[in-house]
Amino acid sequence: EPEVTQTPSHQVTQMGQEVILRCVPISNHLYFYWYRQILGQKVEFLVSFYNNEISEKSEIFDDQFSVERPDGSNFTLKIRSTKLEDSAMYFCASSEGPEAFFGQGTRLTVV
Amino acid sequence: QKEVEQDPGPLSVPEGAIVSLNCTYSNSAFQYFMWYRQYSRKGPELLMYTYSSGNKEDGRFTAQVDKSSKYISLFIRDSQPSDSATYLCAMARGETSGSRLTFGEGTQLTVNP
Repeated sequence: EPEVTQTPSHQVTQMGQEVILRCVPISNHLYFYWYRQILGQKVEFLVSFYNNEISEKSEIFDDQFSVERPDGSNFTLKIRSTKLEDSAMYFCASSEGPEAFFGQGTRLTVV
Repeated sequence: QKEVEQDPGPLSVPEGAIVSLNCTYSNSAFQYFMWYRQYSRKGPELLMYTYSSGNKEDGRFTAQVDKSSKYISLFIRDSQPSDSATYLCAMARGETSGSRLTFGEGTQLTVNP
């Protein structure tokens, strides 16, 4: 069964460093997303991406975040200068329609 | 007022019980309704997806939507210990595919053998 894959599963980084989280969406899907979940809190939308551009972003997705689809299969989230409060699970998702399929997440720990 | 409200539980039931999980919402623009299951430190897994008022059944799971009351439910029949997880409701607006999902807080369910 097709699935969304994310790497790495866990990343530890120092505050102020740049991180890139990687995702391979389901191959025939057209819509790609990043969500995050701070420990003990609900899943929050960050950004959606369609036709090689951002289609929607939340207030969380500020200038330190960027997304890219560098080739036909990968979808990345870059955090330029990480802060302690960026520590969370980051989930990539993809969809053909409204229902999104999620990857297993990258646990980002900023120290 | 939160856009989506979900009782966080925790909810503990004996094996074989019928489980009822609920969410209410305030935004009339929500047209698509989903239920996800999330195991600890894992990604949300799509269980059910509906877009109209009424019931949708899939095996032991039934999703119910009442748009007039802005209320959705997920029923689990003959609950099993493997159903122990956090259940998330999620909703999307209807104007385009690829709309952002707005999640509830999640209800933590434990099914005891």
